[in-house]
Amino acid sequence: DVKVTQSSRYLVKRTGEKVFLECVQDMDHENMFWYRQDPGLGLRLIYFSYDVKMKEKGDIPEGYSVSREKKERFSLILESASTNQTSMYLCASSLFREGFGDEQYFGPGTRLTVT
Amino acid sequence: QKEVEQNSGPLSVPEGAIASLNCTYSDRGSQSFFWYRQYSGKSPELIMFIYSNGDKEDGRFTAQLNKASQYVSLLIRDSQPSDSATYLCAVPRRGNYQLIWGAGTKLIIKP
Repeated sequence: DVKVTQSSRYLVKRTGEKVFLECVQDMDHENMFWYRQDPGLGLRLIYFSYDVKMKEKGDIPEGYSVSREKKERFSLILESASTNQTSMYLCASSLFREGFGDEQYFGPGTRLTVT
Repeated sequence: QKEVEQNSGPLSVPEGAIASLNCTYSDRGSQSFFWYRQYSGKSPELIMFIYSNGDKEDGRFTAQLNKASQYVSLLIRDSQPSDSATYLCAVPRRGNYQLIWGAGTKLIIKP
């Protein structure tokens, strides 16, 4: 079974703090993703990575950065946390199969509250 | 028009009945489709994948693809209260590794 783990289930940070969210997958997947999920807004892609040290912006990258130094680990960084970044953050990984697309597998999520 | 659309619900179905969830997509060239289930407070989990033509059955779940009308359905037979969740439809975006997500349909199975 694919296992995707995230460093924290719940996190409370103060406005202006630098926040690190870490994600690790154990299935040697090429692709990794960071989403946020808010009520009524669905899943929104923040960043994704298709290889080590490679990253691409998703739909809402502002205020976030990412790091992928090793294949199994993908980190999301909030440079200066703000209250509007209070959300559920979901990490996913996938292995692209030609003609089929990605089956994405999700971690348990981190519920971040910024006060 | 959104790329992937779902009725947000809630869809209320009595226990034991068939629940029918629909998802429409805009890219006529889409070939594969994913259904995920998300319980409240949990992360999405993959329950069905359908490729190109025809129906696919897995236990109580059946995915049906209608390419002419550009929608994919998920049928849940003998609905159970444990099926109460939000069901997300996703379609691969052509040219990269992303999935395009619908907003999800909230399903409530009433005992």
